Amino acid sequence: SQTIHQWPATLVQPVGSPLSLECTVEGTSNPNLYWYRQAAGRGLQLLFYSVGIGQISSEVPQNLSASRPQDRQFILSSKKLLLSDSGFYLCAWKSRYPHPDTQYFGPGTRLTVL
Amino acid sequence: DAKTTQPNSMESNEEEPVHLPCNHSTISGTDYIHWYRQLPSQGPEYVIHGLTSNVNNRMASLAIAEDRKSSTLILHRATLRDAAVYYCILRDRTGAQKLVFGQGTRLTINP
Repeated sequence: SQTIHQWPATLVQPVGSPLSLECTVEGTSNPNLYWYRQAAGRGLQLLFYSVGIGQISSEVPQNLSASRPQDRQFILSSKKLLLSDSGFYLCAWKSRYPHPDTQYFGPGTRLTVL
Repeated sequence: DAKTTQPNSMESNEEEPVHLPCNHSTISGTDYIHWYRQLPSQGPEYVIHGLTSNVNNRMASLAIAEDRKSSTLILHRATLRDAAVYYCILRDRTGAQKLVFGQGTRLTINP
């Protein structure tokens, strides 16, 4: 069966510090991978998606970046965090079942920037 | 993007059925309707999807209007664990194979 991992679960960082969030998927190969952010009390905002190693598409211009160094690894980074980067970060992968557009989400990382 | 409209919040009682509506008047003929839910402090989880016919699974039922401009997610017997934000989503067809999440409906279940 497939599983998706994210770490860390929670993170408190000062403004201006760097960020690295990691997501890995097990039990599938060459999945589409997604990074979302959810600000407090808001809906999900798609940040990046990737259809393969080294292939990243950005949905929203910002001070975040994403990389996919391996087939089942997706990393979200920032060189300098802003207060507005606080939120709940979710990684997801796209499965063919039960529908080709079904996405399965990881447990998330709650980031607080102070 | 095809848009969906859902009530911001709904409330129901435990062990009663819940009908969560969704309007999608600009749906195209080949758009699937997906429903996800997000429990507190968790990522969204898939609930059900459909195209034209009504659908049932172990979690819920999906009733789709004949003109496909609206749909209703039905929880037959709500429990406290069903309290969540429910999202009605149409498959975005602009090439990114992405699902566009709106604000959803926050469902409260009273004991």
